[in-house]
Amino acid sequence: AAGVIQSPRHLIKEKRETATLKCYPIPRHDTVYWYQQGPGQDPQFLISFYEKMQSDKGSIPDRFSAQQFSDYHSELNMSSLELGDSALYFCASSLGAGGLKYFGPGTRLTVL
Amino acid sequence: AQSVTQPDIHITVSEGASLELRCNYSYGATPYLFWYVQSPGQGLQLLLKYFSGDTLVQGIKGFEAEFKRSQSSFNLRKPSVHWSDAAEYFCAVGPLGGSARQLTFGSGTQLTVLP
Repeated sequence: AAGVIQSPRHLIKEKRETATLKCYPIPRHDTVYWYQQGPGQDPQFLISFYEKMQSDKGSIPDRFSAQQFSDYHSELNMSSLELGDSALYFCASSLGAGGLKYFGPGTRLTVL
Repeated sequence: AQSVTQPDIHITVSEGASLELRCNYSYGATPYLFWYVQSPGQGLQLLLKYFSGDTLVQGIKGFEAEFKRSQSSFNLRKPSVHWSDAAEYFCAVGPLGGSARQLTFGSGTQLTVLP
């Protein structure tokens, strides 16, 4: 069965650069969530979208923005990267707000 | 506010031994409870979930968990651990329906399996 796809799987950037992470949900899933997991930390909710509209916002820095497109894929845009942004970024998708969340493999971002 | 506590940061068991990972939650309403497993370099995989009905739920890979409302606990168990179970395990709580859509995760329990 198709799963959540995230690209790239690994990304290395320098401080003050920008990065864009992409998430392709499971087909027919209309809800996308972004989580950030720092080294040795538990995943922290960043933001979510339902039917292309932002539905919830967590601890997402102002330097980050995200959107969900007409094909339901989502992109997380990160600007003015800091060393502390180095983390594993997970995307999850679900069918509807109460549906089971299926997680992607994550994008590992390293900021040098 | 909802919160999840996993009191054991690291657990080591021998292969074939039984396993119990603890999870306590704080939630103001009926919770939706999950256990996820994360292998090194991998995404989170759902092991099992509970939101109503039988308080003992069965999951994949031989895992089960028991919801105890009186103790606000949702401990994960496995009768006989395999070496491939070595991973990090996260307990999570979310709202049952409602408008909020995020999960709150515990800090994880790292499981080491000795041969």
